[in-house]
Amino acid sequence: EPEVTQTPSHQVTQMGQEVILRCVPISNHLYFYWYRQILGQKVEFLVSFYNNEISEKSEIFDDQFSVERPDGSNFTLKIRSTKLEDSAMYFCASRGGGGDTFGSGTRLTVV
Amino acid sequence: GIQVEQSPPDLILQEGANSTLRCNFSDSVNNLQWFHQNPWGQLINLFYIPSGTKQNGRLSATTVATERYSLLYISSSQTTDSGVYFCAVKTYTGANSKLTFGKGITLSVRP
Repeated sequence: EPEVTQTPSHQVTQMGQEVILRCVPISNHLYFYWYRQILGQKVEFLVSFYNNEISEKSEIFDDQFSVERPDGSNFTLKIRSTKLEDSAMYFCASRGGGGDTFGSGTRLTVV
Repeated sequence: GIQVEQSPPDLILQEGANSTLRCNFSDSVNNLQWFHQNPWGQLINLFYIPSGTKQNGRLSATTVATERYSLLYISSSQTTDSGVYFCAVKTYTGANSKLTFGKGITLSVRP
């Protein structure tokens, strides 16, 4: 069964550093998403991406965040200057005919 | 935006017992998915079920879209069923359609 692949699975970073989270969506999917989940809380939408541009973003997705599809397969989320409150699980998802498929997540810890 | 309410918030079962998890939503939806979040934090897609009934082994789900609820049934529960179960919905399928998650139901199955 096709999968959404995320790397790394864990990342620890110093406050103020830039991080890039990587995702490889399912190859024939056209709609891509990033979500985050702070420990013990529900999954929250960050941004959706279609046709090489952002189609919607939440209030969480401020100027510190950016997304990119640098080539035909990768989809990245960049956090420019991490804060302690950015510590969370970040999920990438892509949309197909049978609903959205989520990757295994990247657990980001900001220290 | 759409509200998604899941109940009960916590559930403790003895192995072998059956259970029903409920998801209510406040508006019409054209996508509803049930996910299981395992102890490693991975979101496993259980069902894509905007309407009707589906079964997969010991799990089944029913969505009554006109009455704005969905039910997830777990029969003959096993300890590996433990984790958090999320219901998530979409109200449309445009380019910026996103999943809105409920707060989840924490299931503990005891041996």
